[in-house]
Formats: sequence, structure tokens, C-alpha cells
Amino acid sequence: EAQVTQNPRYLITVTGKKLTVTCSQNMNHEYMSWYRQDPGLGLRQIYYSMNVEVTDKGDVPEGYKVSRKEKRNFPLILESPSPNQTSLYFCASSPFSRGTLNTGELFFGEGSRLTVL
Amino acid sequence: GQQVMQIPQYQHVQEGEDFTTYCNSSTTLSNIQWYKQRPGGHPVFLIQLVKSGEVKKQKRLTFQFGEAKKNSSLHITATQTTDVGTYFCAGRLSSNTGKLIFGQGTTLQVKP
Repeated sequence: EAQVTQNPRYLITVTGKKLTVTCSQNMNHEYMSWYRQDPGLGLRQIYYSMNVEVTDKGDVPEGYKVSRKEKRNFPLILESPSPNQTSLYFCASSPFSRGTLNTGELFFGEGSRLTVL
Repeated sequence: GQQVMQIPQYQHVQEGEDFTTYCNSSTTLSNIQWYKQRPGGHPVFLIQLVKSGEVKKQKRLTFQFGEAKKNSSLHITATQTTDVGTYFCAGRLSSNTGKLIFGQGTTLQVKP
């Protein structure tokens, strides 16, 4: 079954304790992206990756790191989490290719709800 | 920075009434996508519009892309309780960018 898998789904942590949210897709998509969702703000893009070893900042990259060492995985790293990073996080992948008008529809994971105390 | 504004934020309708949500971009978009997120779920792709003035229909849902490719709308005819959820538009500024800018979303409640 085609899917995007995120872990953990729920996490409560404390300020400053490094954490990683993993994301894996089995659709051989080149494009992957991370979003955070906050009430009234919609989905805001944190980072995206067009291919292995290629990552770019989205609209809200501060406080986050990502890596794309292999095609299927795109982990989100919070080196020193702070309470303002409490949010619902979504990973997504897409068959999007640069320079084409294909749908590039995003396939989302189930979400990871993070609370930073 | 570039923004996509979506209104209204919330809409309560009686089952059977129509519903419309609007998106407006500060800049011309290459294309626009629409997603639906059910309560407690993740966003699910509905459709993509690419051409100026494009109109697409999916059963009771009608999607439009403005002539200037700066605005879009989603219209639902005769809402049903299964239409409940949050609808997001997402605009891509160019076909060369991986940046997708989401609107704030419109949450639809349908009273049976």
C-alpha cells in the first residue's frame, strides 16, 4: 500500500531535549516536504527536498533541520525544541518534478503531534 | 513574503445549502491545488488547476481558477454531512519551485 509513515505520532518532550521525527515513503517520490499546522495559520512549509542530498528552506525553517540521505526518508530534527514548536507536523511526498506541470499532488502522513513543555 | 489568503475561516451551513471558499494570492500562481482534511485526519488531495480561467467539476464540487491566476474558489452544491472538514488551497509560484503556499483553510460544519 502506498503510504507516508511518520513516527512518533504523539510526543511530549521538554525544552532543549533534541528529538527527531522520522518520515518514510514507499512511492519512490523524489519530492518530500515537512509542514506544521497551527490553528488559524493553515499549513506552513518548514523544509522541502527535491531529491537526495537536495534540501531547501520553506517559510518557517528556524529551529529545524532536515536531511535527505536516501530517497525514501526525510527526517525532521529539532536540535533544541522550544514551546513555540508545539504543533501538529505533517510529512508529505509528491511525484512533483521541477519544470513540469504534473499534478505534484502531495501525499500526507498521518501527522505527529508534538508538545514541548 | 508571498501569501495566499483564504476566506472565510469558518462556515456553518444547513445540510442541503451551498458552500463556497475563496483563495486570493498576492502574486500570480503557476497552479493551485485543493485539499480536504477531515477532523483528526490528514490533508487529502482533491484537484489541481493549471490554466487561466479553468473550471473543473467533481460531482457536487466545482473548482475555478481566475483569469489572472491569482484567485481560486471551491463551490459545493447541496452540502452533505460527509462534506464536513477543512478545505485548503495551495498555490505554487512557478513550475520550477518546490514551495507550495497553503491558505489558512476554511472549516465547514454541516448541520443535519
